[in-house]
Amino acid sequence: KNEVEQSPQNLTAQEGEFITINCSYSVGISALHWLQQHPGGGIVSLFMLSSGKKKHGRLIATINIQEKHSSLHITASHPRDSAVYICAVTFGNEKLTFGTGTRLTIIP
Amino acid sequence: EPEVTQTPSHQVTQMGQEVILRCVPISNHLYFYWYRQILGQKVEFLVSFYNNEISEKSEIFDDQFSVERPDGSNFTLKIRSTKLEDSAMYFCASSLVPGGTEAFFGQGTRLTVV
Repeated sequence: KNEVEQSPQNLTAQEGEFITINCSYSVGISALHWLQQHPGGGIVSLFMLSSGKKKHGRLIATINIQEKHSSLHITASHPRDSAVYICAVTFGNEKLTFGTGTRLTIIP
Repeated sequence: EPEVTQTPSHQVTQMGQEVILRCVPISNHLYFYWYRQILGQKVEFLVSFYNNEISEKSEIFDDQFSVERPDGSNFTLKIRSTKLEDSAMYFCASSLVPGGTEAFFGQGTRLTVV
């Protein structure tokens, strides 16, 4: 079965800390997405990657295809980064298969 | 920036009633999706739609559900005879090509069945 696992499930940190959220998947993928879901429920796409590393502002996403693992890093975290971060993958077809999400809370 | 829009943002319906959730995908996108998220659970795939037909559907997407692209802009999800367990957030998404490119999500419709 094609599975996506995220860790940790919940993460609380102080403002300014470096944050890492991990995602692993069970079989080969065609692409991995990092998504952000705010308390209101809306989902925003942060990154789509199939190899290497991408950076956007304070966010960095990396993927290791051989180890079937991806990480999302947030540098200089801020309370506005508080949200649920979701890893989702495509296993060679169209649809996204989602992880359970990581609830991040940044305390001022 | 182009966006996917969904209406309504919140729908309350009586058990057994039919609801139609509406989505306007990004205008040049070709692939359309419906996902749902039951409160406290992960997002689940319902159906994908391309070239005016369903390309894939999950086991959740049974005869109670149907999708339609009635004109060049709207993409709808119909749920017949709603059940309490249909209460969830429903997300529409669209992409230019399948899977390997960024998917754009709408803000969701929160469906509450009472």
